[in-house]
Amino acid sequence: QSVLTQPPSVSAAPGQTVTISCSGISSNIENDYISWYQQLPGTAPKLLIYDNNQRPSGIPDRFSGSKSGTSATLGISGLQTGDEADYYCGTWDTSLNAGSFGGGTKLTVL
Amino acid sequence: QVQLVESGGGVVQPGRSLRLSCAASGFTFSSNGMHWVRQAPGKGLEWVAVVWYDGSKKYYADSVKGRFTISRDNSKNTLYLQIDSLRAEDTAVYYCARHVGGGSKWENWGQGTLVTVSS
Repeated sequence: QSVLTQPPSVSAAPGQTVTISCSGISSNIENDYISWYQQLPGTAPKLLIYDNNQRPSGIPDRFSGSKSGTSATLGISGLQTGDEADYYCGTWDTSLNAGSFGGGTKLTVL
Repeated sequence: QVQLVESGGGVVQPGRSLRLSCAASGFTFSSNGMHWVRQAPGKGLEWVAVVWYDGSKKYYADSVKGRFTISRDNSKNTLYLQIDSLRAEDTAVYYCARHVGGGSKWENWGQGTLVTVSS
């Protein structure tokens, strides 16, 4: 099954912009969509970005997604203390019929 | 609005079985694939299994294949996960999630149910 790799942690000051990377090792990642999830402490994951760069309704445009080849990036601008959370990338591998998630990245807003 | 409510978790001895349920409301349950995703204490998300919207296809993570069985009852708007031969490493919060569209869009998640495997 696919393996997605994320940095364990990132940090930035309020108001700044941070990016979180998600790298895949399967060539199938090139053909599949990446989604991103925010998990606040003690809560269930919440969809932030789907299909590489689409935001569900209600998600502010401070959150953005992009993908190139086997790598994807989540961007968060205008950081707020409320953005402190764990962030996960995920994908549904259509050739393996299996899902996978990155190991998660803990965002600290200094 | 969409609601997913898991139940059935608890403390179970190694080797025993457990069945988790996920009650769905607020959408046409029979139109969406449904997944189970788990999260061990202090760890990341791990995809577990999926069942197609009509129950015709089921796929599992290699780590649970042969011990876990996913199923659904569209007449009851309920998703299930049967877990057999429980192991300590199955200790986790189990989430059900609604898949929307053909990409990787787990749009809605339940609040999770905790399974603790311990003697």
